[in-house]
Amino acid sequence: NAGVTQTPKFQVLKTGQSMTLQCAQDMNHNSMYWYRQDPGMGLRLIYYSASEGTTDKGEVPNGYNVSRLNKREFSLRLESAAPSQTSVYFCASTQGNQPQHFGDGTRLSIL
Amino acid sequence: GENVEQHPSTLSVQEGDSAVIKCTYSDSASNYFPWYKQELGKRPQLIIDIRSNVGEKKDQRIAVTLNKTAKHFSLHITETQPEDSAVYFCAARGGTSYGKLTFGQGTILTVHP
Repeated sequence: NAGVTQTPKFQVLKTGQSMTLQCAQDMNHNSMYWYRQDPGMGLRLIYYSASEGTTDKGEVPNGYNVSRLNKREFSLRLESAAPSQTSVYFCASTQGNQPQHFGDGTRLSIL
Repeated sequence: GENVEQHPSTLSVQEGDSAVIKCTYSDSASNYFPWYKQELGKRPQLIIDIRSNVGEKKDQRIAVTLNKTAKHFSLHITETQPEDSAVYFCAARGGTSYGKLTFGQGTILTVHP
């Protein structure tokens, strides 16, 4: 039982490049989330998907897009990467009133 | 939206002492309050949580208290050990937020042997 799996684990991009961060969960959870973590700022919600077929903006959505491909997978896309998007990105999932489970994170550096 | 404030930002204790981390929240409709522990380079992991119909919850050396009237909740770690050293995050979830959590800024706890 893998839980929440994120790929890649590390990535270095140049300003203006695009990339997609992948997230998959095998716990049959309805809801999935993307957070970014910056020093001293905790985890901030970028986008979430309350259920398959729906997505909504979180606290810091600018510069990102998401796709809920199916119940298992929720991807985060950076269309034109900027240095301000250098961060650690975490995907999480949950079902109903249960706690959120996090993936191992993607460490993204944008030069 | 919800706003969660966490204090202190850093906490240093001697092994065996107690540690207390406090959080306040703004949305009176929030009904679920988890605490996560994050070791360096690792994922946040749930250590304890409390729902709004409960005032206190304990799990071995860890306890959480909730004061709904004052809109604050606290994490208490007793008999601290060096392996308790980590970053701790509190969070709050509103009643109609589709499971969304709002996190505090984190507390770096260091336990000195």
